[in-house]
Amino acid sequence: QKEVEQNSGPLSVPEGAIASLNCTYSDRGSQSFFWYRQYSGKSPELIMSIYSNGDKEDGRFTAQLNKASQYVSLLIRDSQPSDSATYLCAVRGAGNMLTFGGGTRLMVKP
Amino acid sequence: GAGVSQSPSNKVTEKGKDVELRCDPISGHTALYWYRQSLGQGLEFLIYFQGNSAPDKSGLPSDRFSAERTGGSVSTLTIQRTQQEDSAVYLCASSLGLAGEGQFFGPGTRLTVL
Repeated sequence: QKEVEQNSGPLSVPEGAIASLNCTYSDRGSQSFFWYRQYSGKSPELIMSIYSNGDKEDGRFTAQLNKASQYVSLLIRDSQPSDSATYLCAVRGAGNMLTFGGGTRLMVKP
Repeated sequence: GAGVSQSPSNKVTEKGKDVELRCDPISGHTALYWYRQSLGQGLEFLIYFQGNSAPDKSGLPSDRFSAERTGGSVSTLTIQRTQQEDSAVYLCASSLGLAGEGQFFGPGTRLTVL
């Protein structure tokens, strides 16, 4: 059974700090990795994708992938209260299906 | 361009009634997915359509649930004889169907079964 694991949180960080969100996955054949942000009462929004080992930066967001360790993370620099949301990790294997983690709730305190 | 749209945004029904939920994917997206999300819970996969291929129905929780996708575009999720445990937000997503593509979600339909 393919699994994607995330700490449910909440992860609480002060405004301006770096938030680090982590995700592990069980399927070694996984090819693509995604981070979604979901505000309370809203649908998930795709914010980052990463396919190769290493780091990928987009503005204040950095996605990190380590396939050997089956680990993907999302760093949010200069965290803002507006970043407070649930962050979902999603992993694609050989087909088009995504397996989602349960999400980590992030709280950024002013 | 327009994103994924879903209707209705909210649906309140009585136990035992049938409901239909509609999803209109992003134009040109060949893959369409239905998920369910109960309050405070993660995403539960229901069904996946890819082009003209037979759908992957492996996530449907019971035979009361069915879905169609007409003309490779609009999809309808039907729940027959609704039960209170069917109350959830039903989310539709679409993608280009290419390896490596992310999915884009609609706003969801909040279903409440009284």
